[in-house]
Amino acid sequence: NAGVTQTPKFQVLKTGQSMTLQCAQDMNHEYMSWYRQDPGMGLRLIHYSVGAGITDQGEVPNGYNVSRSTTEDFPLRLLSAAPSQTSVYFCASRPLSGTDTQYFGPGTRLTVL
Amino acid sequence: AQSVTQLGSHVSVSEGALVLLRCNYSSSVPPYLFWYVQYPNQGLQLLLKYTSAATLVKGINGFEAEFKKSETSFHLTKPSAHMSDAAEYFCAVSGGTGFQKLVFGTGTRLLVSP
Repeated sequence: NAGVTQTPKFQVLKTGQSMTLQCAQDMNHEYMSWYRQDPGMGLRLIHYSVGAGITDQGEVPNGYNVSRSTTEDFPLRLLSAAPSQTSVYFCASRPLSGTDTQYFGPGTRLTVL
Repeated sequence: AQSVTQLGSHVSVSEGALVLLRCNYSSSVPPYLFWYVQYPNQGLQLLLKYTSAATLVKGINGFEAEFKKSETSFHLTKPSAHMSDAAEYFCAVSGGTGFQKLVFGTGTRLLVSP
């Protein structure tokens, strides 16, 4: 049982480049989400999904796209990277119930030059 | 809307001293409250959670938290700090009917000195 996995662990992009951060979970969780973590700002929700084919915006969605074609995978796409997107990105998953524990991946540290 | 306020971005204690990390919440519905810990260069892991059962919740690594509705607080405590407790701690809230998102505080970094 691998839990929540993320790739890559580190990435450096130039302004304007695009890339996809991968996230997968093997716990059959309906809910998956992406956060970004910036110093002094805690974790801010980018996008989330409550099941395959269903996605919605979080607090800071601009510049990011997501899709959910399977229960297991929830990739995050940066369409045209900007320096403001330099951050640490975490993927998380849990069952739909609000009382259930949310499990986090190890994170992707992204630098945009 | 729900929100969480964590007082103090940094808290310093000596090894063996009491740890107290403060969390106040705002919620228009009965809340579910969580404390997560993040060790350096790692993801977040659950320390403990309150889901409307006992108001005093015990978690891993000797931590506990008490839900106080009258004070809208959910402070995290540990009687005796250990060097390995040095990490960043996040309080989070969810609640209400239907699907509930988890809203995080800005975090408190705990520093433990020998």
